[in-house]
Amino acid sequence: KNQVEQSPQSLIILEGKNCTLQCNYTVSPFSNLRWYKQDTGRGPVSLTIMTFSENTKSNGRYTATLDADTKQSSLHITASQLSDSASYICVVSLDAAGNKLTFGGGTRVLVKP
Amino acid sequence: DTAVSQTPKYLVTQMGNDKSIKCEQNLGHDTMYWYKQDSKKFLKIMFSYNNKELIINETVPNRFSPKSPDKAHLNLHINSLELGDSAVYFCASSQSPRSSYEQYFGPGTRLTVT
Repeated sequence: KNQVEQSPQSLIILEGKNCTLQCNYTVSPFSNLRWYKQDTGRGPVSLTIMTFSENTKSNGRYTATLDADTKQSSLHITASQLSDSASYICVVSLDAAGNKLTFGGGTRVLVKP
Repeated sequence: DTAVSQTPKYLVTQMGNDKSIKCEQNLGHDTMYWYKQDSKKFLKIMFSYNNKELIINETVPNRFSPKSPDKAHLNLHINSLELGDSAVYFCASSQSPRSSYEQYFGPGTRLTVT
């Protein structure tokens, strides 16, 4: 069982609608959590990074939340655009000293006009 | 003005061959990485170098050998390629190996072993 589980695996939404992606993790100790966006055929691009003491962080229409007690994070996309079609990957870092990142399998989002 | 570049973008080769993938970053970063993304889209770190020194070496077959001639380059050489090596390989760089620093990924190299 992967230490970072994402749901749903895939999602289809209409342009202009909102959606929320979930990430549950069991990685411990926990240093920080990131959300990446990966377009097809490209490398991941960072959207947000949060330490365990942060509850929310926004990047434009993307808002990430974090509950370190329940080990859950969510990524909310507001007013989706066609360019939001991509995979969204949750990544948890074990500790601040090293740089071992544990990646979730991603949620594939398809925005339809 | 590409930040992290990889060559080639696609690589198709036969089992048993030896191949190399090159990576270069022009961000002035000290740390570079190689990741493997399998068919299920999971990214897993393979190696990490900081100032040309190996700092992370995950459970990777010793057929994979990274080489860092300088801080801006981290190449990946693979000997005796196997079918299971087929994947997309991503290079990345960051200012520091500390996890709070952002990692910048290259476009990936899709390796297909036949």
